[in-house]
Amino acid sequence: QQQVKQSPQSLIVQKGGISIINCAYENTAFDYFPWYQQFPGKGPALLIAIRPDVSEKKEGRFTISFNKSAKQFSLHIMDSQPGDSATYFCALRLNTDKLIFGTGTRLQVFP
Amino acid sequence: KAGVTQTPRYLIKTRGQQVTLSCSPISGHRSVSWYQQTPGQGLQFLFEYFSETQRNKGNFPGRFSGRQFSNSRSEMNVSTLELGDSALYLCASSYRDGYEQYFGPGTRLTVT
Repeated sequence: QQQVKQSPQSLIVQKGGISIINCAYENTAFDYFPWYQQFPGKGPALLIAIRPDVSEKKEGRFTISFNKSAKQFSLHIMDSQPGDSATYFCALRLNTDKLIFGTGTRLQVFP
Repeated sequence: KAGVTQTPRYLIKTRGQQVTLSCSPISGHRSVSWYQQTPGQGLQFLFEYFSETQRNKGNFPGRFSGRQFSNSRSEMNVSTLELGDSALYLCASSYRDGYEQYFGPGTRLTVT
């Protein structure tokens, strides 16, 4: 069964705008919530991650917002750039090294 | 520090054959995980090794197997290949507990 729901499937944003990608989960046993960025032909790259004892984490233009009670977390990309155009995956850590991935969001940033 | 390396990068095999993929983790990382990525199923966990022991396994048939060596390098093997095994196989390494997993570029396997 699908343990994490990611939305939207695709996103088109103008340069300088804010990109927002959401993930919702059900199992409260997850203890680590990373976001990965993947360019065509490349492996996923760890972008930013958060643990459930923190509600927000910011690294440069990237921010994770975490709502433990709602079992949701989101990625915000501020001042989106054409170079941010990629597929983004949320993930959840379960049982040591097992990551459960969302279905991905294809982001396109137009100049 | 060098990243995760995977070899080969591309592979074409015929149905029924077997294949072995290799992964070298980041220096100092002792945990290696394998994932399968396909357009239809997305990223799915195959298995994870730590200190030469399989610590976790996903929902894949027994045709998929792996191992880890004392230097933390890992291999995965797929026997009796099926057309549906065509995918990007990704290896990820982490220091120990999996909180930060770093992926390699993947091996693109095509089964004809």
